[in-house]
Formats: sequence, C-alpha cells, structure tokens
Amino acid sequence: RKEVEQDPGPFNVPEGATVAFNCTYSNSASQSFFWYRQDCRKEPKLLMSVYSSGNEDGRFTAQLNRASQYISLLIRDSKLSDSATYLCVVARRAGSYQLTFGKGTKLSVIP
Amino acid sequence: DGGITQSPKYLFRKEGQNVTLSCEQNLNHDAMYWYRQDPGQGLRLIYYSQIVNDFQKGDIAEGYSVSREKKESFPLTVTSAQKNPTAFYLCASSNPGQGDEQFFGPGTRLTVL
Repeated sequence: RKEVEQDPGPFNVPEGATVAFNCTYSNSASQSFFWYRQDCRKEPKLLMSVYSSGNEDGRFTAQLNRASQYISLLIRDSKLSDSATYLCVVARRAGSYQLTFGKGTKLSVIP
Repeated sequence: DGGITQSPKYLFRKEGQNVTLSCEQNLNHDAMYWYRQDPGQGLRLIYYSQIVNDFQKGDIAEGYSVSREKKESFPLTVTSAQKNPTAFYLCASSNPGQGDEQFFGPGTRLTVL
C-alpha cells in the first residue's frame, strides 16, 4: 500500500457544484495532515491544515478520520479559480520531521 | 516581503555537467528542504536540513549534494551522477517549533539536453 494515496482524477465539475476528495494514508504514526493546492507548473501552496475535529475555511472543509486513516476535502460552490491539483500531505516525526505527498487530485471547474 | 526565492526559474544544461540551484529564504526558518517533482508524480524528498551546518539525505539523494552554511541559504547541486536530472525542483522551508507546514519557493525547472 502506498504511503499516501489519492484518486488522480480528473474531476470535471460545473461551477457552483460541490466536490469532495479523499485521501488515505498507511502510517498510523502520522501526526499532522494538510491539503496543498498546486496550479499547473507552479509550486504547492498550503490550502489548509486538517484537524481531528474537522475544520472549515470559507467554502473548504477538511476532515480527518484517524481510525480509518483517511482525510477528506470538500469544496462547496466551486469557482473557476478552484481549478488546480490538490495534494494530500501527511507528516510524522521519526527523529526528524518529514512530509509525504500524495500525487494529487486534479480538479477542473467548468463554466 | 518574506518568502522563499529560487533561481533560476528555468535552467538548461548539457548532459555530464554539474549544476547548482539556488534557494534563499528570509522567513527565519530553521529547516529547509529540497524536493523533486516529475510529471504525474508526487514530490520526493532529496535532502533536508534542520539547522545550519547540518543536513540529511532524503529518499532520493543519490546524484545530488547540498550545503547549509547560512540559515537563509540551501543550494542544491545536481551532479553528473544523477541519471535522470530533468525535473521540477522545489525548495521549501519550515519552522518546526511553530507548526509542521512547509512553504515552497517558485521552483526551478531543469532540463538536461
């Protein structure tokens, strides 16, 4: 099982739609979780951290299920500007601190 | 403005030549990282440094070297020993005492001809 797995997509959704992405991770010792957004040929940018209690930032909601080892991202009222690749990122400390990145889920929001 | 800069944005080199990629940050972050991204792939860790004058190999360090002589600078050298150097190289930094997030520079796209 890969350390962090995501459906690569693409997810093609109309403007205004709600879309959800899931991500699974294999290492139960993982401690921190994030969603990053990456536009084509650009660097990843932190979208939001994911907390056990779930967290919301405007149209974006992130959830963590430690028991099942998955993370989700929900985008409501999709905008054209949401079109990007969304990277699931898992962090753990094992002497040092490292992030493991999923390959990303591509989202295209269509007019 | 605080941030991470990488230069150059695009780099072309002939096979067999060493090349050094620059990464500078003015965020006063202790930790810095180098990743490589290939098309359709996730980021893979090359090297990281948690403190000045110290660095550790990541998952794919072969054919690469780094130095960390200053807190703000973490250059990466791609040597001729790297078998497939054409890729998008991303530098990141973080302050582990203030959270686990990493912040990325704009990247250098290296093409070896």
